[in-house]
Amino acid sequence: AQSVAQPEDQVNVAEGNPLTVKCTYSVSGNPYLFWYVQYPNRGLQFLLKYITGDNLVKGSYGFEAEFNKSQTSFHLKKPSALVSDSALYFCAVRDIRDKIIFGKGTRLHILP
Amino acid sequence: NAGVTQTPKFQVLKTGQSMTLQCAQDMNHEYMSWYRQDPGMGLRLIHYSVGAGITDQGEVPNGYNVSRSTTEDFPLRLLSAAPSQTSVYFCASSDPSGGNREQYFGPGTRLTVT
Repeated sequence: AQSVAQPEDQVNVAEGNPLTVKCTYSVSGNPYLFWYVQYPNRGLQFLLKYITGDNLVKGSYGFEAEFNKSQTSFHLKKPSALVSDSALYFCAVRDIRDKIIFGKGTRLHILP
Repeated sequence: NAGVTQTPKFQVLKTGQSMTLQCAQDMNHEYMSWYRQDPGMGLRLIHYSVGAGITDQGEVPNGYNVSRSTTEDFPLRLLSAAPSQTSVYFCASSDPSGGNREQYFGPGTRLTVT
């Protein structure tokens, strides 16, 4: 069965420092991988996706993610964190039957 | 385009009552899904549909029914509400063809069952 793990409930980063939010997955076949962000009392917004091709994908708001097939990981990264990046981040995987499963989410706190 | 719309925004039910959460999209997306969001549990898939007339179960389908008679609408029915169904419910849609597979989410429905 497909699954997504986000091992950290919360990540704290100082403003201006690089950030990483971790995600590992398990799925049959080639994965379609996504990152979404949720700001307080808001719905979810799409950040970026990996479907095929280059292992480093770039998305909205300066975020990028690296797909690593051997480690079954898709970590979210940003070179320089902003206070406005503070939010709840979700990793998701879509399997060959178009079932999309989300991780439990990681709360990112950027400290001024 | 209005995108994905959900009604109502808030709802309070008594245990045992039934209701339908409405979801509609105007983007002609084939794929639609329902999730519930609970603290510490993330988003859990309830049911999903890959097109009109086709539905399938997600991770937590018990206590919920869906149907997909049109491309635009994907209502979620609570048959007999229980306090464990207190949650925020999100509907989402996407176009699975081509490379555009990301989901567009509605604003959510906050449901309280007493």
